[in-house]
Amino acid sequence: NAGVTQTPKFRVLKTGQSMTLLCAQDMNHEYMYWYRQDPGMGLRLIHYSVGEGTTAKGEVPDGYNVSRLKKQNFLLGLESAAPSQTSVYFCASRLDRRVYNEQFFGPGTRLTVL
Amino acid sequence: EDQVTQSPEALRLQEGESSSLNCSYTVSGLRGLFWYRQDPGKGPEFLFTLYSAGEEKEKERLKATLTKKESFLHITAPKPEDSATYLCAGRYNNNDMRFGAGTRLTVKP
Repeated sequence: NAGVTQTPKFRVLKTGQSMTLLCAQDMNHEYMYWYRQDPGMGLRLIHYSVGEGTTAKGEVPDGYNVSRLKKQNFLLGLESAAPSQTSVYFCASRLDRRVYNEQFFGPGTRLTVL
Repeated sequence: EDQVTQSPEALRLQEGESSSLNCSYTVSGLRGLFWYRQDPGKGPEFLFTLYSAGEEKEKERLKATLTKKESFLHITAPKPEDSATYLCAGRYNNNDMRFGAGTRLTVKP
């Protein structure tokens, strides 16, 4: 049981380049999330999904797109990377909508945009 | 806007020196208060969930408590391996959580 995995672990992009971050979970969780973590700030929600084929905007969605074509995968895309998107990105999953269910986090992807 | 604020930003303790970390939150609409531990270069790891004022939960040297406007993470006789960043988060609806910026704890031997 690998839990939540993220690919890649590190990436350096030039301004204007595009890339996709992949998140996979093997726990059959309904909910999946993408967060970014910046120094001095809490985890901020970018986008989330409450089930296969659904996505919704979080607190800081601008400049990002997501897709959830399969229940176990949640992709985060940057169409035209900007230096302000330099951050550590975390994916998380949660079993279902019940309040007491915690989120399980992946190990993170460190992205630098030059 | 729902807010979660943690203090202090950083805390340095000697091994065995007990202390508490604070998390204050927007009271209206809170459905659950979560504590996570995050080690450098890793994702957050779940510790506790609290739902109502007066509730307490314990795990080894850690005890989390909840009042009507704050939560505390008490660390009793900490060891160097307790060094980490501790995150607090409030769940205000069924879909997401609001995280505090964290308290970076260092325990010196």
